[in-house]
Amino acid sequence: QSVLTQPPSASGTPGQRVTISCSGSNSNIGSHYVYWYQQFPGTAPKVLVYGNNQRPSGVPDRFSGSKSGTSASLAISGLRSDDEATYYCATWDDSFSGVVFGGGTKLTVL
Amino acid sequence: EVQLVESGGGSGQPGGSLRLSCAASGFSLSGYSMNWVRQAPGKGLEWVSYISSGSDNVYYADSVRGRFTISRDNVKNSLFLQMNSLRDDDTAVYYCTRGPYRISGAEGYWGQGTLVTVSS
Repeated sequence: QSVLTQPPSASGTPGQRVTISCSGSNSNIGSHYVYWYQQFPGTAPKVLVYGNNQRPSGVPDRFSGSKSGTSASLAISGLRSDDEATYYCATWDDSFSGVVFGGGTKLTVL
Repeated sequence: EVQLVESGGGSGQPGGSLRLSCAASGFSLSGYSMNWVRQAPGKGLEWVSYISSGSDNVYYADSVRGRFTISRDNVKNSLFLQMNSLRDDDTAVYYCTRGPYRISGAEGYWGQGTLVTVSS
């Protein structure tokens, strides 16, 4: 069981806006910066969001991250078929003295 | 351009050893803490180990503590993971990562990964 809680699946139709949640506690999300990753099968995870809400260059502004208290979320607007992937949240955890991940959310574009 | 390139993966026997390396380029490794993260076949991401920029703080996941050792050579811009007493459940793709960080929210990077297969 993962320290950070994500829904195992999410779905939407092209053009829609979907949100993926990530729930934690004061020792992780409540105290540290959240990162979001996108992973396609057989490839390395790609950084989508860092520092709670910052996007690396090259990541479309359709992807946005936010954080409030002990929860974070990733919003994807203008959903496209090539957004079908698994999305992970991560942050540092003081109780665990390490990086903790969510279990991953598999996004399906219907 | 920041790049992290892992090497050293391959097949190992239960009880055996492997040493992974990660060559960093495009930035000075000495300015950043680093992690190793792994992903078993069909599973999610699992953090393995952390080392601070000056090697004064190192942390390990319970699953590898006492068997794996993380180290770095800031002069050679390289990160290492010495894996001893290998077990079947160490089979995974191992990634070298810059971030998430213990303190800052700076931009993160991942390598392409190196596959470790433990089997008799």
